[in-house]
Amino acid sequence: GNSVTQMEGPVTLSEEAFLTINCTYTATGYPSLFWYVQYPGEGLQLLLKATKADDKGSNKGFEATYRKETTSFHLEKGSVQVSDSAVYFCALRSLMDSSYKLIFGSGTRLLVRP
Amino acid sequence: DTGVSQDPRHKITKRGQNVTFRCDPISEHNRLYWYRQTLGQGPEFLTYFQNEAQLEKSRLLSDRFSAERPKGSFSTLEIQRTEQGDSAMYLCASSNSGRASTDTQYFGPGTRLTVL
Repeated sequence: GNSVTQMEGPVTLSEEAFLTINCTYTATGYPSLFWYVQYPGEGLQLLLKATKADDKGSNKGFEATYRKETTSFHLEKGSVQVSDSAVYFCALRSLMDSSYKLIFGSGTRLLVRP
Repeated sequence: DTGVSQDPRHKITKRGQNVTFRCDPISEHNRLYWYRQTLGQGPEFLTYFQNEAQLEKSRLLSDRFSAERPKGSFSTLEIQRTEQGDSAMYLCASSNSGRASTDTQYFGPGTRLTVL
């Protein structure tokens, strides 16, 4: 079945450090891929997405590239800020699923220290 | 457009009681989803509506759970005879019925249920 695997957290970084959060997936066909972010006390927000191989999603300085050959969608940011502290979820949606439901990874907590 | 709203934000109940949650999607969004998120885990799909029709239910949705979306607008999720294992955050999301590749789900803040 379809699934998403994320690196376990928490990830603790100093401000301005480089961030990578790994995400790999298993899916039939070619899914759409997403990163959602959940700030403390808030709901899930879409951070970025990519819908086909080699697409790069980007938003707020975050980037992720859809790699079909490695079935990966790693999240990166060149210089993190304290305000980036949150839980990040990688998700997929199978185009073969008429419901368009999302399948999420278990989340990775990021803590950025000043 | 105020986004997806959910009510209540928090619910504490005793085991065996019934609870009902409400979700108001973004207006004109015809797809509505319920997910459940337990501590330290990602959201898991529960059920999905297109307009007023409930088109898919997860095996996670036991017969104690029922969801409705009358008139294709707001939705309710009811849990009967709650159990401690039902304690979780219940998330609602909505989207337009665009192409699968472009459809984007917008999430509400969730209802946190605690069963004592």
